[in-house]
Amino acid sequence: DTEVTQTPKHLVMGMTNKKSLKCEQHMGHRAMYWYKQKAKKPPELMFVYSYEKLSINESVPSRFSPECPNSSLLNLHLHALQPEDSALYLCASSQVGEAIYFGEGSWLTVV
Amino acid sequence: SQQGEEDPQALSIQEGENATMNCSYKTSINNLQWYRQNSGRGLVHLILIRSNEREKHSGRLRVTLDTSKKSSSLLITASRAADTASYFCATLHFYGQNFVFGPGTRLSVLP
Repeated sequence: DTEVTQTPKHLVMGMTNKKSLKCEQHMGHRAMYWYKQKAKKPPELMFVYSYEKLSINESVPSRFSPECPNSSLLNLHLHALQPEDSALYLCASSQVGEAIYFGEGSWLTVV
Repeated sequence: SQQGEEDPQALSIQEGENATMNCSYKTSINNLQWYRQNSGRGLVHLILIRSNEREKHSGRLRVTLDTSKKSSSLLITASRAADTASYFCATLHFYGQNFVFGPGTRLSVLP
């Protein structure tokens, strides 16, 4: 069982909607990540938070907006998405430079 | 850009056989990790091997690292149908926070 919890597991949203994906970990990890994964492809890094500060933004479009309210929580705010943004969104956490642990992911469908 | 590259891309074996997957990378790393992903699920961390280590074991899993060849291998012994999954390697650069995933190997273990 994963100790990284993601909600919701499934989300269907229209291109004009605003929604959020949520992630929580209680392992005391100080690094948290958002990855995007398309079918039969490896995960692609979107954002890294280290000690609650955004440290890596892999040129992600501004329609994706991350937020780290505290060391246990990570959100991904979604607005005006495109159908090609439909994918599995994975949250992960780690001690800095150590093994990363993933949640089960949130399946996003943009219609 | 992707650093880890696995081969083969797909592998089919019979239950009880051993499965070997390889990962190559381009630049110096801090550590290398192997993950398993069942269809539509999150990634499960299997083993982390550091750049100063050559071999690690965990149950039926054996990972080797050859930094001179910039390659790693994952051996699964006495495979089971439940081992059917995609396997990814991920590398972490020194002073980096970005784990870069290879394209993965899809393993099918036939009963």
